[in-house]
Amino acid sequence: AQSVTQPDIHITVSEGASLELRCNYSYGATPYLFWYVQSPGQGLQLLLKYFSGDTLVQGIKGFEAEFKRSQSSFNLRKPSVHWSDAAEYFCAVSGFKTIFGAGTRLFVKA
Amino acid sequence: DTAVSQTPKYLVTQMGNDKSIKCEQNLGHDTMYWYKQDSKKFLKIMFSYNNKELIINETVPNRFSPKSPDKAHLNLHINSLELGDSAVYFCASSQERTVGTDTQYFGPGTRLTVL
Repeated sequence: AQSVTQPDIHITVSEGASLELRCNYSYGATPYLFWYVQSPGQGLQLLLKYFSGDTLVQGIKGFEAEFKRSQSSFNLRKPSVHWSDAAEYFCAVSGFKTIFGAGTRLFVKA
Repeated sequence: DTAVSQTPKYLVTQMGNDKSIKCEQNLGHDTMYWYKQDSKKFLKIMFSYNNKELIINETVPNRFSPKSPDKAHLNLHINSLELGDSAVYFCASSQERTVGTDTQYFGPGTRLTVL
């Protein structure tokens, strides 16, 4: 069965510091993997996605993610966080239907 | 232009009432979805339609009935509302004909509060 685990409920990072949000998935075949961001009171917006090919994926707003099949992981990274990155981040795995992780809330401190 | 729109944005109602939430997408997509996000931000798919045909129907109470009059619209009707129905409901759409393989574009959400 498909599942997604985001181990961190919330993370606090200083502005300008690097960020890594963890995501582990369970899926029988090669998955379609996504990271979405949700700002307060808004819908979800796609940051990046992985289907196949290069395992390091670049997204919008300076985010990237690396697919590691051996670890069943798809962690999201950003080298320097901005205050506007404070939001809820969702990892998702998709086969026939999309399963979302529980989300990681990012707090950015000045 | 708003890609995926939902109305209303907020909905406050009494237990036992019947209410509808409307969703429209102007992206020309073939597939539309309804998701429920609970108070802990957990997002769960409820329904998916591909070109007006029901594709995914998760184990939701049959008080929830989606209706797709055309592929640009997917409405959600809820009968006999209960306290546990309070949540944010998101509509989404995607281009692909095979459900689940493409980027989904989300509406702004409808916050439903049942008193």
